[in-house]
Amino acid sequence: NAGVTQTPKFQVLKTGQSMTLQCAQDMNHNSMYWYRQDPGMGLRLIYYSASEGTTDKGEVPNGYNVSRLNKREFSLRLESAAPSQTSVYFCASSQQNSYANYGYTFGSGTRLTVV
Amino acid sequence: KNQVEQSPQSLIILEGKNCTLQCNYTVSPFSNLRWYKQDTGRGPVSLTIMTFSENTKSNGRYTATLDADTKQSSLHITASQLSDSASYICVVSPTGGGNKLTFGTGTQLKVEL
Repeated sequence: NAGVTQTPKFQVLKTGQSMTLQCAQDMNHNSMYWYRQDPGMGLRLIYYSASEGTTDKGEVPNGYNVSRLNKREFSLRLESAAPSQTSVYFCASSQQNSYANYGYTFGSGTRLTVV
Repeated sequence: KNQVEQSPQSLIILEGKNCTLQCNYTVSPFSNLRWYKQDTGRGPVSLTIMTFSENTKSNGRYTATLDADTKQSSLHITASQLSDSASYICVVSPTGGGNKLTFGTGTQLKVEL
């Protein structure tokens, strides 16, 4: 009963390096999301995928790309990391995007530091 | 702009005591309000989800209330335990789309012996 699994849990990058954050869910959820959490701020949506085969920008998409590989997996890529991308990243999934009453299940997060 | 404001920012209480956390929002049109618990180093975990027609919802020792007219919600924790130490986040969803959630910054609760 894993829920939402994120890898890696911790990562340190140098400015300009690239990396991909992986996320997988085993609940057969249709929608998946990537958020970032910064001190003193609420979680902010980076990208989301309402269903397999679709992706859309959220509130703070600049500097990121995503891939919905299949129904289970949704990855987040930083092409050229910047110190402003130092944050904790959370992947989440929900049963359906268009019906807002469905709860979200979050992963444990990836703590990324860009130096 | 949709906003969710929580108070207090932080709170320390003794084990066994009750406490109430507040959430005010400006999201409109409003669909539902959620409370999440986030332990240090973990992702948020859902406690309650309330639609605009619900006034109260309980989950064990957690009871959430909602006043959609004044756009206020509260989370009451009864007989606190050390394991209740966490950040409690209020999240509001507008009508029509789960991807447009607005998150509060959370209330950091510490329960001490």
